[in-house]
Amino acid sequence: GESVGLHLPTLSVQEGDNSIINCAYSNSASDYFIWYKQESGKGPQFIIDIRSNMDKRQGQRVTVLLNKTVKHLSLQIAATQPGDSAVYFCAETHGNNRLAFGKGNQVVVIP
Amino acid sequence: EPEVTQTPSHQVTQMGQEVILRCVPISNHLYFYWYRQILGQKVEFLVSFYNNEISEKSEIFDDQFSVERPDGSNFTLKIRSTKLEDSAMYFCATQGLAGGNEQFFGPGTRLTVL
Repeated sequence: GESVGLHLPTLSVQEGDNSIINCAYSNSASDYFIWYKQESGKGPQFIIDIRSNMDKRQGQRVTVLLNKTVKHLSLQIAATQPGDSAVYFCAETHGNNRLAFGKGNQVVVIP
Repeated sequence: EPEVTQTPSHQVTQMGQEVILRCVPISNHLYFYWYRQILGQKVEFLVSFYNNEISEKSEIFDDQFSVERPDGSNFTLKIRSTKLEDSAMYFCATQGLAGGNEQFFGPGTRLTVL
């Protein structure tokens, strides 16, 4: 079936370094992709999104890259801070607003 | 900043009992969703709701589940006869008509079925 998945279960990164989290998706009809951050005991928090007609979008300290050829999505976090420690989910949708989430990738920032 | 709220934060119930989970959407939002997350697993879509009716539901959302907006404000998820495997975090999400597809999630209700 169609699925969205993450490559690495845990990423440990030194404070101040850049982080890259990857995500693969299989539904070529997906037209909207989102990265969510989930801290312990909280709901998913929107970070950044990108539509399928773009290949890059930048926010504050975050960049999302979309490669439709290989169905790959990545999230780059610049100058990672302790507050960035969380689980990061990619999610996709294709027009009907129903979000399909990946399994999640734990980011641990080492002070 | 407006936010989605959910009550209760934690619900413990006996197997076979009915539970109602409540969500207060962001004002003026028109699209409503329930998702669940079993411990250690990914977030899964349950149901979407718009214009006072279900827009879409997943295979998880069987006859034991129902949703409604009883007073035009709160958005509720009812599980008629809970099973052990219903134990999970349940997240409400809401979405405005304008502003793209961003869904705003509530803090969740942790449901524990004993």
